[in-house]
Amino acid sequence: QVQLQESGPGLVKPSETLSLTCTVSGGSISSYYWIWIRQPPGKGLEWIGYIYNSGSTNSNPSLKSRVTISIDTSKNQFSLKLSSVTAADTAVYYCARAPGRFLDYWGQGTLVTVSS
Amino acid sequence: QSALTQPASVSGSPGQSITISCTGTSSDVGGYSYVSWYQQHPGKAPKLIIYDVTTRPSGVSNRFSGSKSGYTASLTISGLQAEDEADYYCSSYTSSSTLGVVFGGGTKLTVL
Repeated sequence: QVQLQESGPGLVKPSETLSLTCTVSGGSISSYYWIWIRQPPGKGLEWIGYIYNSGSTNSNPSLKSRVTISIDTSKNQFSLKLSSVTAADTAVYYCARAPGRFLDYWGQGTLVTVSS
Repeated sequence: QSALTQPASVSGSPGQSITISCTGTSSDVGGYSYVSWYQQHPGKAPKLIIYDVTTRPSGVSNRFSGSKSGYTASLTISGLQAEDEADYYCSSYTSSSTLGVVFGGGTKLTVL
């Protein structure tokens, strides 16, 4: 059974960089697309971006200049960095797997609050 | 990127059937068979319940079904149960965004 687990600081100061890691267990990260999604409190889901095992990435145009997604196949992990955060970036951040144009496995999510 | 349009809320009584719509354009729902649906209970991660418009993943109840007509995809839940009360999100491939994917705004299902 594939499992994903997000990890990283739950509190980030404004203007700093949010950094999260997703650890994949029960399967290899060397296939599929790997996704980051977020959900502001009380709101809907928003795509952040994705990475393929080759290292090719794509991200939401509204966030693109601030988003960096990377992958470490040796550790079965992929990561998200979001720079210059503001309160609007406060959200539950999810990682997920995409075997096609859908998301079949999700992490439990981690709340990141942007506050001084 | 513009979100797909879903009703904010729907409701139904136990045993009834309900349908949640997801309306897009020719660049997403209407042009491709890549619509997926997710169920999200409060405080939990979303769960895939339908992909590629009509396909149900293994382990998902056959009370959930998906369809598409024109620019609108639909999720139907038959034999409503209390445990179906949740938020539901649709998603589609889109050719109008460099990201290639878009979510609907979500629908809150209340089981009366």
